Amino acid sequence: GDSVTQMEGPVTLSEEAFLTINCTYTATGYPSLFWYVQYPGEGLQLLLKATKADDKGSNKGFEATYRKETTSFHLEKGSVQVSDSAVYFCALSVSFNKFYFGSGTKLNVKP
Amino acid sequence: KAGVTQTPRYLIKTRGQQVTLSCSPISGHRSVSWYQQTPGQGLQFLFEYFSETQRNKGNFPGRFSGRQFSNSRSEMNVSTLELGDSALYLCASSLSSPGGGYTFGSGTRLTVV
Repeated sequence: GDSVTQMEGPVTLSEEAFLTINCTYTATGYPSLFWYVQYPGEGLQLLLKATKADDKGSNKGFEATYRKETTSFHLEKGSVQVSDSAVYFCALSVSFNKFYFGSGTKLNVKP
Repeated sequence: KAGVTQTPRYLIKTRGQQVTLSCSPISGHRSVSWYQQTPGQGLQFLFEYFSETQRNKGNFPGRFSGRQFSNSRSEMNVSTLELGDSALYLCASSLSSPGGGYTFGSGTRLTVV
């Protein structure tokens, strides 16, 4: 069945460090891929998306490339800030707004 | 424009009771989905409604039900509450297709005692 696997956290980085959060997926058909971010006490916010192979989604300095050959959609940021501390979810959708979410990766950024 | 509004934000109920949660989607969004979020199970899909019809359903028991009204507002109901139903319930709305992604509400935190 369809599923998403992402690296377990927490990930702890110093400010201005490089971030990578790994995400791989299994899907029938051609999924759309997403990264969502959840700040404490809030719902999830769409961070970026990619709808077909080789697409690169980007937003607020974050990037992820849809790699069909490796079934991956890794999230990267060149220089993290304390304000990026949150939980990040990788997700896929293949039909009718039914999404599959990864388990979430908590990111802690220290000043 | 206003975001997805969920009410109430917090709720405490006793085992065996029932509860109704409400979600008002972004204006113009016709699809509303519900998720349960727990530390152990993560985000689990409950169901999705589009134009008052349930279009998709997750693997939850029949105690969990929902509906959507003609103005796209949605409610979910949980009957005969169990301790394990304690969770953050998230509502998300979107246009008709999945390509655009969801807009989530802030959730309703349900505690069953």
